[in-house]
This record gives sequence, structure tokens and C-alpha cells, in this order.
Amino acid sequence: EIVMTQSPATLSVSPGERATLSCRASQSVSSNLAWYQQKPGQAPRLLIYGASTRATGIPARFSGSGSGTEFTLTISSLQSEDFAVYYCQQYNNWPPALTFGGGTKVEIK
Amino acid sequence: QLQLQESGPGLVKPSETLSLTCTVSGGSISSSSYYWGWIRQPPGKGLEWIGSIYYSGSTYYNPSLKSRVTISVDTSKNQFSLKLSSVTAADTAVYYCARLQTGYSYATAKYYYYGMDVWGQGTTVTVSS
Repeated sequence: EIVMTQSPATLSVSPGERATLSCRASQSVSSNLAWYQQKPGQAPRLLIYGASTRATGIPARFSGSGSGTEFTLTISSLQSEDFAVYYCQQYNNWPPALTFGGGTKVEIK
Repeated sequence: QLQLQESGPGLVKPSETLSLTCTVSGGSISSSSYYWGWIRQPPGKGLEWIGSIYYSGSTYYNPSLKSRVTISVDTSKNQFSLKLSSVTAADTAVYYCARLQTGYSYATAKYYYYGMDVWGQGTTVTVSS
């Protein structure tokens, strides 16, 4: 089973600053990684797939990078609506398996 | 605009079976480009994929839940359903249904996956006597 580890658990950032979130896989998942954003009381929202491809309608301030076991989600200039929890998801062995990371909460500093 | 809506009991007794249905509107569940899935989130915790189904009935389940999970599809009603048996308090969670952008490419002879792009609003299920 591939285990996804996200760090840090909580990231405190001021509006307008850059946020860098990390996701590490226990073994290589190539570029088979997606990122999701979840705000309180809401369903998750797809941001990125293929490690770096933005989903439809996602602003350009969100970017993904990495391959193999190390991945990064960067939010270039945090807006008020970006404070949320972010999850990575690997799909390297889909089907049959999909695995989420534990999440990183981005909070206002 | 595609919408997904979960429905089912909000309270289930321990050892019983949790049953939820996801109704798809604004599009067909029988599209060849998608799987349909269930994901859950215990209070204050992260996301856990439960399993997914194709309109033909082909299913994939999380190995940790496989022995207790059944996902089925009713194309005539544009719905898919989740059954989780022998529930305990650990199964208390918000349950989401979602559309998976995925399918088999005969050109590359492998599956592609573009993420879970449409989600229901989620339904809270509490396991308690």
C-alpha cells in the first residue's frame, strides 16, 4: 500500500504571501498525483491532476510540481478564499487503489 | 451542470448496515469516461476513498473496507449506492459521492485518471445505539 504523507500539518501564511505545501509518497507514483482544496463544511474541490495540470477553472496562482515521491503545491499569492485544507491523492496503481494524504491546513497568520 | 446528491439515514445502529444512494442529475451515469465513487471523512479527520463503480457494474474497493462494502449502480434511475455492513462508531463520518474522470485508453493500453471533479455536498452518518 502506498502511504501519502503531507507536511506541514498546519501552515500559517499572511494574505499575499506564497504558500508551499509538500506531499511525499512511500514509493514512486510517477506523476500520478492530484491535489484537492476543502473549505469548512464543503466538499473537496479538484485543483490539480497529473502533478501539475490545473483542473478546469482553477486560478493560475495554484501550481503543482514534482514526480516520483516528492510533490509540491504552491499558491503564489494567498487570497482570503485560499485558506483551507489541502489534500494530495495518488492514483499510480489505479485501478484498483486511490490514496489520500492526511492534509495540510493553510491558516491566516 | 452535473450535480450529485447523497441520500440515506443519518443514524445507523452498531452492527447494522449503512445504506446511501447518490443521485446524478444534469448528466448520464452511463458515460464511458467516468467512474463514480464514495469517499468518507470522519469528524475532524482526512479523506478516505471507499470504492468506485463503472456504469457497467465494474467495481473497485479500498482493501481496508472491501470485506464490508458493496457499491451498486442503477442506470435506469441514474443512481449508485453504497452499503457498508457491520458498522461501528469508527464508521461515523461525512460520506461524499463523486465523479471520477477516468477510463481505459485502448490507444495506450492503460487507465487514465484526471481526478474527482464533481462532488456531492456530503451527508453525515452517525453510528450509535
